[in-house]
Amino acid sequence: KQEVTQIPAALSVPEGENLVLNCSFTDSAIYNLQWFRQDPGKGLTSLLLIQSSQREQTSGRLNASLDKSSGRSTLYIAASQPGDSATYLCAVEGGSYIPTFGRGTSLIVHP
Amino acid sequence: DGGITQSPKYLFRKEGQNVTLSCEQNLNHDAMYWYRQDPGQGLRLIYYSQIVNDFQKGDIAEGYSVSREKKESFPLTVTSAQKNPTAFYLCASSPAVTQETQYFGPGTRLLVL
Repeated sequence: KQEVTQIPAALSVPEGENLVLNCSFTDSAIYNLQWFRQDPGKGLTSLLLIQSSQREQTSGRLNASLDKSSGRSTLYIAASQPGDSATYLCAVEGGSYIPTFGRGTSLIVHP
Repeated sequence: DGGITQSPKYLFRKEGQNVTLSCEQNLNHDAMYWYRQDPGQGLRLIYYSQIVNDFQKGDIAEGYSVSREKKESFPLTVTSAQKNPTAFYLCASSPAVTQETQYFGPGTRLLVL
């Protein structure tokens, strides 16, 4: 059964820092990996979707990479801002087509 | 304005009571999902539906029931058999159950009185 682990569980940084959030998964036979953002008490918003044939995706200050063979993905946030404070979840989709979610990384960016 | 709506935002359940959470989407998506989220936990799948009049159990279906009579609607009933229902419930939809981005509603927080 697919297991998804996110490290660190929590992160607090000053504004302006570049950040790396990590996601690892146990079964490399995946179709895609997706990063989501969740604000407190809210639903999830999709940030980036990487298909299994791709190595990375970029959107503004966000860059996500995928190394399927090693079962790892990273989400890079450049020049962090207080508005980036949220929980970031990764989800992998495999043979069942139903995504498996990690527990998330809770990020606080303080001014 | 297209999207997914969930109601109510907060719901209180008394012991032995069944309660129903609403999920509606106007995105014309075939697939819909229900997840449960507990503090510090990832999302766990309760039920999903690939098409109208069809649904499948997820990892934690016990104590829950669903229906999919209309494409736009996928209500979740939390029955009295669910002994620990306090959680945040999230509904999602996608064009199909194959390699598609999921779109999430704002969630319903269920509390037990």
